[in-house]
Amino acid sequence: SSELTQDPAVSVALGQTARVTCRGDSLRSSDASWYLQRPGQAPVLVMYGKNNRPSGIPDRFSGSTSGNTASLTIAGAQAEDEADYYCHSRDNSGNHVLFGGGTKLTVL
Amino acid sequence: QVQLQESGPRLVKPSQTLSLTCTVSGASVSSGDYYWSWIRQHSGKGLEWIGYIYNNGNANYNPTLRGRATISAGTSKNQFSLRLSSVTAADSAVYFCARERNYYGAGSLFDYWGQGTLVTVSS
Repeated sequence: SSELTQDPAVSVALGQTARVTCRGDSLRSSDASWYLQRPGQAPVLVMYGKNNRPSGIPDRFSGSTSGNTASLTIAGAQAEDEADYYCHSRDNSGNHVLFGGGTKLTVL
Repeated sequence: QVQLQESGPRLVKPSQTLSLTCTVSGASVSSGDYYWSWIRQHSGKGLEWIGYIYNNGNANYNPTLRGRATISAGTSKNQFSLRLSSVTAADSAVYFCARERNYYGAGSLFDYWGQGTLVTVSS
């Protein structure tokens, strides 16, 4: 299939660990990248590949992949982590871009 | 530092063609190392990929747009454009341009985005 599926919403207590998941057949052959988007702003890359953080992204963010599922983990979630999170990959043909439907992370 | 900036009409009438331009600084659209995409986001919804241009002229599109989208390189090496024909209210959205690149391993990432521009389709 040519879809990436995310849970619509995840909540986490301040300081606890949050996990956002992304499932899709394309993830068996193509790594996911992850983006954080705050209201009214453009998405920002926070994770790519197996577990690679761009410069400036706190080390509380980590990534992993198992089979057709990619995960973004936030250890010790902070108030500023509250945002929408999107996963991305290419489809199995490699020609088309896929985005997950997004997960709204609420930090309680 | 790479920067992208969308520009174009903010209001388009139904059945007409939406036209946007992305001006890139700090990188060349003609570079074979990158894919230059248009992505849109309906109000309160997720990201929808429209299509990309690469190698200064080749393009791929989201099949769901049924051939209405055309992405082309501008006359300047630092611009690329989107044309979306036969628009309806359902095409009202924030439109982003963004740069995608491959990285070692088996994946790609979007490393630079424009700030986005809201386009409304209304008579």
